[in-house]
Amino acid sequence: GENVEQHPSTLSVQEGDSAVIKCTYSDSASNYFPWYKQELGKGPQLIIDIRSNVGEKKDQRIAVTLNKTAKHFSLHITETQPEDSAVYFCAASKGGANNLFFGTGTRLTVIP
Amino acid sequence: GAVVSQHPSRVICKSGTSVKIECRSLDFQATTMFWYRQFPKQSLMLMATSNEGSKATYEQGVEKDKFLINHASLTLSTLTVTSAHPEDSSFYICSARGVAGAANSPLHFGNGTRLTVT
Repeated sequence: GENVEQHPSTLSVQEGDSAVIKCTYSDSASNYFPWYKQELGKGPQLIIDIRSNVGEKKDQRIAVTLNKTAKHFSLHITETQPEDSAVYFCAASKGGANNLFFGTGTRLTVIP
Repeated sequence: GAVVSQHPSRVICKSGTSVKIECRSLDFQATTMFWYRQFPKQSLMLMATSNEGSKATYEQGVEKDKFLINHASLTLSTLTVTSAHPEDSSFYICSARGVAGAANSPLHFGNGTRLTVT
């Protein structure tokens, strides 16, 4: 089955700096890679996703890159703000109706 | 955007009782819903896949007789924790995917249910 690893487990950055979270996956058949933000006591919220036919996707301050050969993908948050503080999860899936395999999460703290 | 509503958000029950958690897709039809369990400071672990009109598919190690799943309509799936024990205390989260034709639609999650069994 799929195995998704995520690093780092915790990350602290100063407000305005960039944050990068990295994930690797094991199943070369995976083709869909979403990122979720989870705030305390809430369910995960989709913030951006990428499919394997694309190498990079950007949405305002958030971008995701995918390297299919190396089987890793990364989340980049620029100009971080205190409200970006949360736990971020990467995930991988074979797409369609298949379920997601989640990484272990990264607790991001943005220091004002 | 797509909204998944989960109810209740918190529940406390006594050991031995059963608890039902509801997951509704509010503005779209969900042929497939997933139920996850999350322990404190850990990742989400898939418990089962719920398909409308058919039996749920459970992940290895998940007791189907203990965690009853019913997906009776395209907008509602329920998870019933039967004969709950303190070790069942956890954060349960559902997610939903759109109907066929949007098979690659993203998963949207509910806000979770924190179950505490005393």
